[in-house]
Amino acid sequence: EVQLLESGGGLVQPGGSLRLSCAASGFTFSSYAMSWVRQAPGKGLEWVSAISGSGGSTYYADSVKGRFTISRDNSKNTLYLQMNSLRAEDTAVYYCAKDRLPTTVSDDAFDIWGQGTMVTVSS
Amino acid sequence: QSVLTQPPSVSGAPGQRVTISCTGSSSNIGAGYDVHWYQQLPGTAPKLLIYGNSNRPSGVPDRFSGSKSGTSASLAITGLQAEDEADYYCQSYDSSLSGSKVFGTGTKVTVL
Repeated sequence: EVQLLESGGGLVQPGGSLRLSCAASGFTFSSYAMSWVRQAPGKGLEWVSAISGSGGSTYYADSVKGRFTISRDNSKNTLYLQMNSLRAEDTAVYYCAKDRLPTTVSDDAFDIWGQGTMVTVSS
Repeated sequence: QSVLTQPPSVSGAPGQRVTISCTGSSSNIGAGYDVHWYQQLPGTAPKLLIYGNSNRPSGVPDRFSGSKSGTSASLAITGLQAEDEADYYCQSYDSSLSGSKVFGTGTKVTVL
């Protein structure tokens, strides 16, 4: 079964750091671009960051550029999101999502989503 | 701040047909990028409903259909059922934003 399982969320103070992980199973992880998508409480979906299958290309929303770093370890089938200089507006459920086709980052759909991990930034 | 605009809410009685619009611009939908649709039930992760403008993944009922024209796309739900009450989001790609996938503002579908 194709599955994504996020972990690493929690409560952090403004200015703090947190690293999210997303463990993948059931597919050839290294062949697929992956993304992080977040959803603030009561709000819509916001794409945060994407990474190519090899990890050689990364992309970020302007709202997190310079503060967040996406990476992956294809030997461990795991995607990461390092979040630094966290702000209250980063409070959200963070989902990892898999591109539908084994191509580079493109206009492809997300066919598999994790269950999400909650990040709360508050003092 | 989303670059794809959807109506905040639509509603219909069971059995009726409802449509949700997704309006973009020349740098996303109008540039020829595919539009996809997701259904999000309360408290759950989004689920892919339509990909590539009009294609349904296996297991999605044919009551759901998608279309695209110019700088807009639409999701139609025919034979509305109580279980269709959820939030729906369109998604595409925007060439004016570096490598950016973009989501619509989201639409709440209420079954009366």
